[in-house]
Amino acid sequence: DAGVTQSPTHLIKTRGQQVTLRCSPKSGHDTVSWYQQALGQGPQFIFQYYEEEERQRGNFPDRFSGHQFPNYSSELNVNALLLGDSALYLCASSLTGQVYGYTFGSGTRLTVV
Amino acid sequence: AQSVAQPEDQVNVAEGNPLTVKCTYSVSGNPYLFWYVQYPNRGLQFLLKYITGDNLVKGSYGFEAEFNKSQTSFHLKKPSALVSDSALYFCAVYSGTYKYIFGTGTRLKVLA
Repeated sequence: DAGVTQSPTHLIKTRGQQVTLRCSPKSGHDTVSWYQQALGQGPQFIFQYYEEEERQRGNFPDRFSGHQFPNYSSELNVNALLLGDSALYLCASSLTGQVYGYTFGSGTRLTVV
Repeated sequence: AQSVAQPEDQVNVAEGNPLTVKCTYSVSGNPYLFWYVQYPNRGLQFLLKYITGDNLVKGSYGFEAEFNKSQTSFHLKKPSALVSDSALYFCAVYSGTYKYIFGTGTRLKVLA
């Protein structure tokens, strides 16, 4: 059973660079949400994509942007990286309308140096 | 504003003993509450949820949680802890606007 797949699993970037993280949702799911989990913290909501549009956004700057493709996969882009962007980035997929059907991926560990 | 609080950063329990991981919430309206577990270098795994109905909710791996509306709590419990239960546990509430709000997490350490 293919769950949520995220790539890459780890990456290291330099301050000021840009990064793209990718997420393939669980089969049958059409909605993708992104969360940032800083060390020692709980996941924080970045945004959610549905029907290729951003449906809801958390308290993150415009440096964080995303995209959803027709096959429901999604990308998270972060520009002008800061040291504080170092975190585990989690993707969660769901079927729209299902509050409790979220499936999380294993995450991408981003380290900004 | 909706929020959840996990007052304990870490809980230590001996294997075979009962465990409790605490969570309190603050929401307007009826809460949708969840518990997730995170193992090292892994994503979040769903344990259980409370949407409506019976206040005692049973979930995966022998875990259960008790919803207490008067105390605004949703504590996670297990009658007999296993070493393999050692992990990071998150309580979450669905905010009603397409997002979950998570607590800061409680690290559970089960000692052999």
